[in-house]
Amino acid sequence: GEEVAQTPKHLVRGEGQKAKLYCAPIKGHSYVFWYQQVLKNEFKFLISFQNENVFDETGMPKERFSAKCLPNSPCSLEIQATKLEDSAVYFCASSPSTDTQYFGPGTRLTVL
Amino acid sequence: EDQVTQSPEALRLQEGESSSLNCSYTVSGLRGLFWYRQDPGKGPEFLFTLYSAGEEKEKERLKATLTKKESFLHITAPKPEDSATYLCAVMYNQGGKLIFGQGTELSVKP
Repeated sequence: GEEVAQTPKHLVRGEGQKAKLYCAPIKGHSYVFWYQQVLKNEFKFLISFQNENVFDETGMPKERFSAKCLPNSPCSLEIQATKLEDSAVYFCASSPSTDTQYFGPGTRLTVL
Repeated sequence: EDQVTQSPEALRLQEGESSSLNCSYTVSGLRGLFWYRQDPGKGPEFLFTLYSAGEEKEKERLKATLTKKESFLHITAPKPEDSATYLCAVMYNQGGKLIFGQGTELSVKP
């Protein structure tokens, strides 16, 4: 597609439940990036992929967070045992190279 | 520590009143500086990429410039539809990771 697609738009989970977010990059883009936007404008880098390979995972919390990009499937970001502080908007971005990134509309995760 | 600071945090303009937004960075080995626009409830929309000091890019009423320490986003004769949060982000290595500033919330009144 011509735009980055993210599903679902909104996700509500009770504390301790699992959350799984999906991202379909722009067709032909081989790089995928995940960011977390907490509060109003604080963006935090989580992880990036080059095709199905992890490219940079320096921002990923070691516990509870995992991500995958498998061939012919949307990329996914999974949070096991969600906590209140995981409430945020999660953005996926894609790029044809490690240059300009194009962002999706985001998934708003609310942990109650 | 690599940092990106945007100022002002919020800016209110009258329609037609030109102004500038600032983005200063303390990132060594800059690979690129990016400007995005974000409307409420939406993802960042790409505006410009700047790579080296002295570079300038223009699009409609917006013009972005870059020096060795900061970037400016100049808005000429803004319209109410230019109201949004403008985000500056810096890439400092080949990994593509972006470091974002806190954004400038621009409001243009008719």
